[in-house]
Amino acid sequence: KQEVTQIPAALSVPEGENLVLNCSFTDSAIYNLQWFRQDPGKGLTSLLLIQSSQREQTSGRLNASLDKSSGRSTLYIAASQPGDSATYLCAVGAGGTSYGKLTFGQGTILTVHP
Amino acid sequence: NAGVTQTPKFRVLKTGQSMTLLCAQDMNHEYMYWYRQDPGMGLRLIHYSVGEGTTAKGEVPDGYNVSRLKKQNFLLGLESAAPSQTSVYFCASSLVSGTVTYEQYFGPGTRLTVT
Repeated sequence: KQEVTQIPAALSVPEGENLVLNCSFTDSAIYNLQWFRQDPGKGLTSLLLIQSSQREQTSGRLNASLDKSSGRSTLYIAASQPGDSATYLCAVGAGGTSYGKLTFGQGTILTVHP
Repeated sequence: NAGVTQTPKFRVLKTGQSMTLLCAQDMNHEYMYWYRQDPGMGLRLIHYSVGEGTTAKGEVPDGYNVSRLKKQNFLLGLESAAPSQTSVYFCASSLVSGTVTYEQYFGPGTRLTVT
C-alpha cells in the first residue's frame, strides 16, 4: 500500500525566504505526482503536476522536482510572501488500472510572516 | 467555465437520515472522484468513476453509494448517516487522453456534520 509522508508538518518563515517542502513515498511505481495548496476552509488548488517521466516542473516562483528511484519530491518556493501561507499537500497518482487515484500526504502548514 | 461545483456547501444531519451530495463539472472530464478529509487522516478516496455509467470503490467506501448517470455529474449518497461520517467531502475530476491521466481539479467541498 502506497504511503506518502510530508516533512515538516509545519513551517514558519519570514517573508522573502526561499524554502523547501519535502514529500516521500514508499512505492516508486507511480504514475504522476501532484502538489496542491489548500487555504483554511477551502478546496484544493492544483499547483504543479509532474508525470513519472519528468524530473521537474516550474510555475512562477514554484519549482517541483521528482526522483522516483528514491521516492522523493520537493516543492521549492522562492522569495516567499505572506500570501503563500496555506497548507501544501503532496499526492501520488497511480496509473493503469488504478485510473489516476491519488494517495495524499498529511500536508505541510506554511506560515510566512511579514 | 465554473470548473467543479458541489452542492450543498454545508449540511447537518441526524443519525440515520439520508442525503445526496451532488458534484458537477463542466470540463468534459472522464474521471471523477469523491474524497473525504478528516483531521489527522488526510484525504481518502471513497469512490470513483472512469466514465458515464461506471463506478468503483476507493479506500473507504463503506456507508456510501455513488452514481454517474451523466458524464458531468457524480452523486454521493449516504443511506443512513452515522457520526463517523462527519467530515469535509471533496469531489474532483480529471482529463484522460489515451494512457495519460492529467491533474485533478477539486471542488470547494461540502462540510457535513452528523449528530
